[in-house]
Amino acid sequence: DAKTTQPPSMDCAEGRAANLPCNHSTISGNEYVYWYRQIHSQGPQYIIHGLKNNETNEMASLIITEDRKSSTLILPHATLRDTAVYYCIVIAGGSYIPTFGRGTSLIVHP
Amino acid sequence: GAVVSQHPSWVICKSGTSVKIECRSLDFQATTMFWYRQFPKQSLMLMATSNEGSKATYEQGVEKDKFLINHASLTLSTLTVTSAHPEDSSFYICSARDRRQVLNYGYTFGSGTRLTVV
Repeated sequence: DAKTTQPPSMDCAEGRAANLPCNHSTISGNEYVYWYRQIHSQGPQYIIHGLKNNETNEMASLIITEDRKSSTLILPHATLRDTAVYYCIVIAGGSYIPTFGRGTSLIVHP
Repeated sequence: GAVVSQHPSWVICKSGTSVKIECRSLDFQATTMFWYRQFPKQSLMLMATSNEGSKATYEQGVEKDKFLINHASLTLSTLTVTSAHPEDSSFYICSARDRRQVLNYGYTFGSGTRLTVV
């Protein structure tokens, strides 16, 4: 599976959009981009995933660049409860083993 | 949505004893489950892949005789930490894949087990 690179930490004001970048320049054509988050002392929670089109659900939006080498997770109106570590991972179609990097620690402040 | 129940959520045990952690998929069948370990301020590290009805596949550096994994049914996998020592203290997390979600490759994680060995 392709490696991902994320900034170690970010902060955001409550109510503002949080934009979390992820670089996956070695991504292959059959690899999906997944985003999870982990709130302190809990298991990771699935947020969203995509292949090449932009995706939106009730939690977030995922913007994938046309060359698929990077993506951005957008939390449109961050709340204090969104404070967590966000992981961007790339999973190939035939590989079912999610592996995690260090992620981005997002702190949402009042 | 898919739910994975992990039990217990925390456990304290004496050095030298064994501890069993259960991971159950509540509303789906999981042919494959994964076990992770997470030390403070570090990322999740994959320990092993558990396949229903067969032996688990362990990652390099993980002692299979110390971390016993049993996946006897499509909804239950267990991790037993044998002869636990303080260095085994960690946050253990399981994950299961809903095989109905083939196209979505959905992975659901348990809430984790905080193991403290004293």
